[in-house]
Amino acid sequence: QSVLTQPPSVSGAPGQRITISCTGRSSNIGAHHDVNWYQQLPGAAPKLLIYGNNNRPSGVPDRFSGSKSATSASLAITGLQADDEADYYCQSYDIGLRGEVFGTGTKVTVL
Amino acid sequence: QVHLVQSGAEVKKPGASVRVSCKASGYTFTTYGLVWVRQAPGQGLEWMGWISTSNGNIAYAQNLQDRVTMTTDTSTNTAYMELRSLRSDDTAVYYCARKGGPYGSFDSWGQGTLVTVSS
Repeated sequence: QSVLTQPPSVSGAPGQRITISCTGRSSNIGAHHDVNWYQQLPGAAPKLLIYGNNNRPSGVPDRFSGSKSATSASLAITGLQADDEADYYCQSYDIGLRGEVFGTGTKVTVL
Repeated sequence: QVHLVQSGAEVKKPGASVRVSCKASGYTFTTYGLVWVRQAPGQGLEWMGWISTSNGNIAYAQNLQDRVTMTTDTSTNTAYMELRSLRSDDTAVYYCARKGGPYGSFDSWGQGTLVTVSS
């Protein structure tokens, strides 16, 4: 069950900046649990993109950045490229559900 | 380099059980826990549960805890996920992932195993 809400789709032209929101509640993001982001290219397994709200694993371009505030988080992609077309998911921990939770997912389209 | 290699696709009838394996290599197996995540066709990611590879501690998703069992075999660096009483809405790609990244992130993923439940 998804308790983190994301917009179903976001689009932008090459080179533009887009943001993806992840809205949680007091039992997850608002309970000071960190947010991680994953990128899932078509037909592939998810890949860790951002961890701990705003950190990039080695190899992830600095065009990707994350932020967190209160009960929500955001992923920003600058200099949008064609190979950024993918589904993006936020993830955190929910103390009420006593488990990890994923966002509903956002499909990014490059126009 | 971390690798998680999962077993092949399965086709099961409603009411049956399925067991998916996940063999780890490239790191010390007992250092990091493993999670199982599934994705129904065209849908989002769903966390199924977590297992500690060092002491066997487990946490299952509340909606699956009556039907799922996660185990590990440290002699072969392999994790297993068994799902019982399969229904058509259990049709999904099942992933294992290492909970090894900072802040509890899932930093390496298996390739996924498609489980199809159909009569």
